[in-house]
Amino acid sequence: DTGVSQNPRHKITKRGQNVTFRCDPISEHNRLYWYRQTLGQGPEFLTYFQNEAQLEKSRLLSDRFSAERPKGSFSTLEIQRTEQGDSAMYLCASSPIGSLSYEQYFGPGTRLTVT
Amino acid sequence: GDSVTQMEGPVTLSEEAFLTINCTYTATGYPSLFWYVQYPGEGLQLLLKATKADDKGSNKGFEATYRKETTSFHLEKGSVQVSDSAVYFCALSDRTGGGNKLTFGTGTQLKVEL
Repeated sequence: DTGVSQNPRHKITKRGQNVTFRCDPISEHNRLYWYRQTLGQGPEFLTYFQNEAQLEKSRLLSDRFSAERPKGSFSTLEIQRTEQGDSAMYLCASSPIGSLSYEQYFGPGTRLTVT
Repeated sequence: GDSVTQMEGPVTLSEEAFLTINCTYTATGYPSLFWYVQYPGEGLQLLLKATKADDKGSNKGFEATYRKETTSFHLEKGSVQVSDSAVYFCALSDRTGGGNKLTFGTGTQLKVEL
């Protein structure tokens, strides 16, 4: 297993279009997280899954954003009617079962540019 | 809510210099603390961690000690190399209620010159 993978790595879209990103976590990890990182800032939490259940969502996750993890494996993050302010790096992370320190392992990210 | 404050960068050092990057935190529970590193063009990598007061995390010559009395987790390295040039993020995970999301600082860019 080579770690968390994300696709696509880069996405350029026009304002108003919908986009979908995919994240494949490390195989034995049951927790999966989405973050957003803008230039010069640290990542900000968006949402969290334990297996297929979405347990927490940030106020940053407006109703244009939806995330799923249908079988408790990969996850998708969809942004509808994209806006220029959605331009950012979208990061996925996973965390191992039973981790007492709650460390998370990050993928390379998907860079979204909305024109 | 939880928050992390890091010293602003960029920090520019000569090779073999001593490094300190300050990090303080605010949390309502008993957080785990982390340093992540982001090399140019790469994703975030976990550098080190500490789960309770007075724990010292260490990796690749970097160290940080969990200081509950000063709510700090400063990153140190005795002799930096050009290859250490990267952005360093301090983060916490508050285990209260399940210990889920990470709260990050804004990052500190380190530049090491020959």
